[in-house]
Amino acid sequence: EIVLTQSPDTLSLSPGETATLSCRASQYFSSAFLAWHQYKPGQAPRLLIYGASTRATGVPDRFSGSGSGTEFTLTISGLEPEDSAVYFCQHYADSITFGGGTKVEMK
Amino acid sequence: EVQLVQSAAEVKKPGESLTISCKASGYTFGSYWIGWVRQKPGKGLEWMGIIYPGDSDTRYSPSFQDQVTISADTSVTTAYLQWDTLQASDTAIYYCARHSGGFESWGQGTLVTVSS
Repeated sequence: EIVLTQSPDTLSLSPGETATLSCRASQYFSSAFLAWHQYKPGQAPRLLIYGASTRATGVPDRFSGSGSGTEFTLTISGLEPEDSAVYFCQHYADSITFGGGTKVEMK
Repeated sequence: EVQLVQSAAEVKKPGESLTISCKASGYTFGSYWIGWVRQKPGKGLEWMGIIYPGDSDTRYSPSFQDQVTISADTSVTTAYLQWDTLQASDTAIYYCARHSGGFESWGQGTLVTVSS
């Protein structure tokens, strides 16, 4: 089973700054099978990125994904207050696993 | 518009059985996998299993194999998650999600509380 490790646990940034979230896999898999989700308490999770770098419908272009192999990154450029949330990476190749999440909070 | 509407919150006692549901609309139900995900209080997301309603092909996470049963009824475009014997440790929010390039559409979640 592929284990996804996200870092850091928490990011505390000011509006307008750039957040860089990391997702590291325990073994290689195709970037075609890596997604990022946004989760806010009391709401359903929301798909942001699939295929490592393709934004889902309606996702603002300040969200971008990159990476391959075992290292993947979600970048949020120009943070907005509404971006406060927990972000999970998900692999969906031969099986499905989620990373532990990174909490993004506003200073 | 794709919609997944889950059943209401449940409060149960240990040892009881439970089935929660996920009603799909806005697409061809039998043509997409639907997965179930658990979120325990204050914790991350855990994938439980997934079903292809078109042929009922079902896969379980090793952590949930033999703990729950996933099923689907194409006549009512609904997926189900079932427990035969609940435990306090099953207290969590359970989400269903349509799988197409990751979990692209999510239900609103069903809170299951198991307490004596």
